[in-house]
Amino acid sequence: EVQLLESGGGLVQPGGSLRLSCVASGFTFSSYALSWVRQAPGKGLEWVSGISTSDDRTYYADSVKGRFTISRDNSKNTLYLQMNSLRAEDTAVYYCAKDRFGSGCNDLDYWGQGTLVTVSS
Amino acid sequence: DIQMTQSPSTLSASVGDRVTITCRASQSISTWLAWYQQKPGKAPKLLIYRASSLESGVPSRFSGSGSGTEFTLTISSLQPDDFATYYCQQYNTYSFFGGGTKVEI
Repeated sequence: EVQLLESGGGLVQPGGSLRLSCVASGFTFSSYALSWVRQAPGKGLEWVSGISTSDDRTYYADSVKGRFTISRDNSKNTLYLQMNSLRAEDTAVYYCAKDRFGSGCNDLDYWGQGTLVTVSS
Repeated sequence: DIQMTQSPSTLSASVGDRVTITCRASQSISTWLAWYQQKPGKAPKLLIYRASSLESGVPSRFSGSGSGTEFTLTISSLQPDDFATYYCQQYNTYSFFGGGTKVEI
């Protein structure tokens, strides 16, 4: 059974940093691209970032480019999202998701339960 | 950026109704489009990928069609479990989601 478990969310002040983690199980982690998608309270889904199998290709939404960094550790079956210079508008539930394929941006066939990030003073 | 516009934003329907949701892309995305269902407090669930391929385990009352810039998600006979919000996603160039369609009673 595929499982994705996010952690690392919480309350952070504007301008602060936070690192999210997503531990995966139930599939060959190193063979699939992975993504982060967020959802602000009461709003729709927003794709944030994606990473290919071998960490050499990363993709970002314009809204987070230069502030967020996606990475993965295939030896630990773990996906990360380093978030710096956080703003109030980054407040959202952050989901990690498994891509259907290993490279590029794809449809997302499995999702975690999400972790809440709140940016507020 | 390729923008995705969903319509309607809210849809009122009854059990047994045939429901159609439309998603339009600001430029051609071939068939690089997926549909998701989301219920309150839950993660999205993939229903359709490559515009018309049914994800494993998804009931056959869900179907998708379209190519280029116009796509539809159809629920042939709405069931009580189908009241939810539906999102389209393009993944031709990076990835963007539509604004969502809430299907309510």
